[in-house]
Amino acid sequence: EAAVTQSPRNKVAVTGGKVTLSCNQTNNHNNMYWYRQDTGHGLRLIHYSYGAGSTEKGDIPDGYKASRPSQENFSLILELATPSQTSVYFCASGDAGTEVFFGKGTRLTVV
Amino acid sequence: AQSVTQPDARVTVSEGASLQLRCKYSYSATPYLFWYVQYPRQGLQMLLKYYSGDPVVQGVNGFEAEFSKSDSSFHLRKASVHWSDSAVYFCAVSASGSWQLIFGSGTQLTVMP
Repeated sequence: EAAVTQSPRNKVAVTGGKVTLSCNQTNNHNNMYWYRQDTGHGLRLIHYSYGAGSTEKGDIPDGYKASRPSQENFSLILELATPSQTSVYFCASGDAGTEVFFGKGTRLTVV
Repeated sequence: AQSVTQPDARVTVSEGASLQLRCKYSYSATPYLFWYVQYPRQGLQMLLKYYSGDPVVQGVNGFEAEFSKSDSSFHLRKASVHWSDSAVYFCAVSASGSWQLIFGSGTQLTVMP
């Protein structure tokens, strides 16, 4: 079965600190995505990737970087975390003609 | 620009009742349309999708949705809900050939026993 695994599942970070959220997929999909979910906003796209070595800005990229070192792995990096980045983050993978699969999410709290 | 509107933030129905969750989209061409469900502390799972053809599409667990180009809608329906259907439901749209999903804000469904 297709799988997207996120780590950590929960994270508390201090303001100004660096946070890295990791995502691994075993679906062999080319496309991977990072979303954040906030009440009243649904899911909003932060960054996405079309394959190893590529990253593209989504709708709300400010304050975030992404890295896709391999087909399987896609990381989201907060260089200087702020309380406004407190949210639930979802990683997903999918290709044209296939279903998009989501991880279970990472709950990030920035204090 | 593409957008998705789910006008009902919360819906409460009794077990065994019928259900309709509303979704309106804005897109210049015919989009790909999806419904996803999110159970507590879980990721999203796809219920059904529409690409073209028959405007009524069947999904998992007895859900179906109907595409209306004239109304720019893709409402989700179920004939008889179960308490286990309580979850958040998201409507989403993408451009044909793209897997960049634009999500609505979601509808929290509560099924009362």
